[in-house]
Amino acid sequence: QKEVEQDPGPLSVPEGAIVSLNCTYSNSAFQYFMWYRQYSRKGPELLMYTYSSGNKEDGRFTAQVDKSSKYISLFIRDSQPSDSATYLCAMRTGGFKTIFGAGTRLFVKA
Amino acid sequence: GAVVSQHPSRVICKSGTSVKIECRSLDFQATTMFWYRQFPKQSLMLMATSNEGSKATYEQGVEKDKFLINHASLTLSTLTVTSAHPEDSSFYICSAHSPLAGFTDTQYFGPGTRLTVL
Repeated sequence: QKEVEQDPGPLSVPEGAIVSLNCTYSNSAFQYFMWYRQYSRKGPELLMYTYSSGNKEDGRFTAQVDKSSKYISLFIRDSQPSDSATYLCAMRTGGFKTIFGAGTRLFVKA
Repeated sequence: GAVVSQHPSRVICKSGTSVKIECRSLDFQATTMFWYRQFPKQSLMLMATSNEGSKATYEQGVEKDKFLINHASLTLSTLTVTSAHPEDSSFYICSAHSPLAGFTDTQYFGPGTRLTVL
């Protein structure tokens, strides 16, 4: 079993839809949870960063962490074609080593 | 802030040659830098962690003698792929971490280097 599971998709939605991306994990020691966006042939870009459980909102993006269920989510409201990318969840314990999910490819159709 | 650059962005080389990739933190000092490898449609696989002035820590299965990492300063780390072969063709991405106030305690990624070995 992988430490972090993420459905690779692809996920295709119409413009304006609410997108829900999810990851599950097995290591209860994870404390820091991140979401990165990666465009084709580019490096990942940090979108959201959360410590421990709870919700965090930034513009159209909301990140949720449920440590009791070992489940994290990223919601994108009013999705735009420019949101089309691969979204990687990532998490780590107190150290620096970060474990990444496989990434979900998202396509937002105009 | 928190900009990381990589050079070159793309390199094509012949089998058997060595290739050096540079990773620079442009507007902050990075105490720790990471090197990742990413195959098409796959996630990032950590290759090694390097701290300024000390030897890199390699992940299991990564050949130290093949992937030479030097972290000579707080703003520069280099990855040298020695005697490259076609199976080394991949997308190499570095990231940098800074514990300074004002930065989230996480990693900032460079744009990546596409290596193609013929």
